[in-house]
Amino acid sequence: QSALTQPASVSGSPGQSITISCTGTSSDIGTYNFVSWYQQHPGKAPKLMIYDVAMRPSGVSDRFSASKSGSTASLTISGLQAEDEADYYCKSYTTSRTYVFGSGTQVTVL
Amino acid sequence: QVQLQESGPGLVKPSGTLSLTCVVSGGSIRSNNWWSWVRQPPGTGLEWIVEFHHTGSINYNPSLKSRVTILIDKSKNQFSLNLHSVTAADTAMYYCARHGAYYFDFWGQGALVTVSS
Repeated sequence: QSALTQPASVSGSPGQSITISCTGTSSDIGTYNFVSWYQQHPGKAPKLMIYDVAMRPSGVSDRFSASKSGSTASLTISGLQAEDEADYYCKSYTTSRTYVFGSGTQVTVL
Repeated sequence: QVQLQESGPGLVKPSGTLSLTCVVSGGSIRSNNWWSWVRQPPGTGLEWIVEFHHTGSINYNPSLKSRVTILIDKSKNQFSLNLHSVTAADTAMYYCARHGAYYFDFWGQGALVTVSS
């Protein structure tokens, strides 16, 4: 199974909004609403930020939002802050009853 | 609050078996949750390895299925990953994680395993 496609890097200035795309296929994102997003700071374990396409776990800032259209999911970070600088990974359930992660996106706050 | 803690040898010889244990606290592996192992080679992305349910259901990453064994110890509330016939390509940080349906809501801090002679 190939990794979902994400841009290698995205950057923005504090206060701006950025969007990270996650492109899959009809075997994963295109079929299921089981897309989740994870934030990973250097040397740390991933942290769940979004689940089931657009649901936010308690404790996650409402500056994080997400959506899906067809086989592409997107994560938007509004009001970008220095603490948002991290790697972000999408993940989807697949028709083979497996999980596939995205290739990862490094977010830089300028 | 569920907590997971990975442990195991940090160095494994090529062609050997990588063995890691994940101890769960604050929750039971006999709950109606699935559990997974995920790895991350240095400087690269996340790769899902395997998931299981305490009732015995297991799903594997096809690329690793032939080399993966999962052991569950309900009495100790822990589970283990064995990855056989390892090569340098298996060098990675290994994480255990709990599922909340189709997402991973709790993660261990990770265990770094290096495959080298």
